Amino acid sequence: GAVVSQHPSWVICKSGTSVKIECRSLDFQATTMFWYRQFPKQSLMLMATSNEGSKATYEQGVEKDKFLINHASLTLSTLTVTSAHPEDSSFYICSAFRGMQEKLFFGSGTQLSVL
Amino acid sequence: GNSVTQMEGPVTLSEEAFLTINCTYTATGYPSLFWYVQYPGEGLQLLLKATKADDKGSNKGFEATYRKETTSFHLEKGSVQVSDSAVYFCALLDTGRRALTFGSGTRLQVQP
Repeated sequence: GAVVSQHPSWVICKSGTSVKIECRSLDFQATTMFWYRQFPKQSLMLMATSNEGSKATYEQGVEKDKFLINHASLTLSTLTVTSAHPEDSSFYICSAFRGMQEKLFFGSGTQLSVL
Repeated sequence: GNSVTQMEGPVTLSEEAFLTINCTYTATGYPSLFWYVQYPGEGLQLLLKATKADDKGSNKGFEATYRKETTSFHLEKGSVQVSDSAVYFCALLDTGRRALTFGSGTRLQVQP
């Protein structure tokens, strides 16, 4: 079964609204989670590293004020796309290391469409 | 910086055909290399990995060998099945940051 749950799996929103995506580790604690973004026919690009109890680390070129990341507990990280625009339409996917096994698990992804 | 290049898809094969999906990488140091698979409607799953040069990762009939001299990690399977239809991603791990760099993915379609 899934060890990382991502919700919602797809969302359609109007331009200018905000959308929150949740990523939960189901049966382990994840001090670090990663958020990726994938455009059609392109690579998954690392957006940011989410650290429990501290600020996220964003990759170069990613607007931290647009993509708000909160990692308030050891099992939950959220990505909020603020004031979404059509160019933010993409596939977003989270992942987390299961520390003891040093294995990386992925959520099933969220397809965001901004109208 | 790190990068991964893999062949574009879709790759369409008949059942029992031989599969090769090419993957090459650029990285500093000695990264670990991975193949992930994404079945329709599911999350990414680790298929196999190799952590050092000449290592061969294998799982479910799939194999890939870490070739440092050619900076490659090609995925192979001798006889594909319809159930292998999925998107396959090659990736490398920056061990310092514990973050993956992915290729663009290759969609495999196996026809009965």
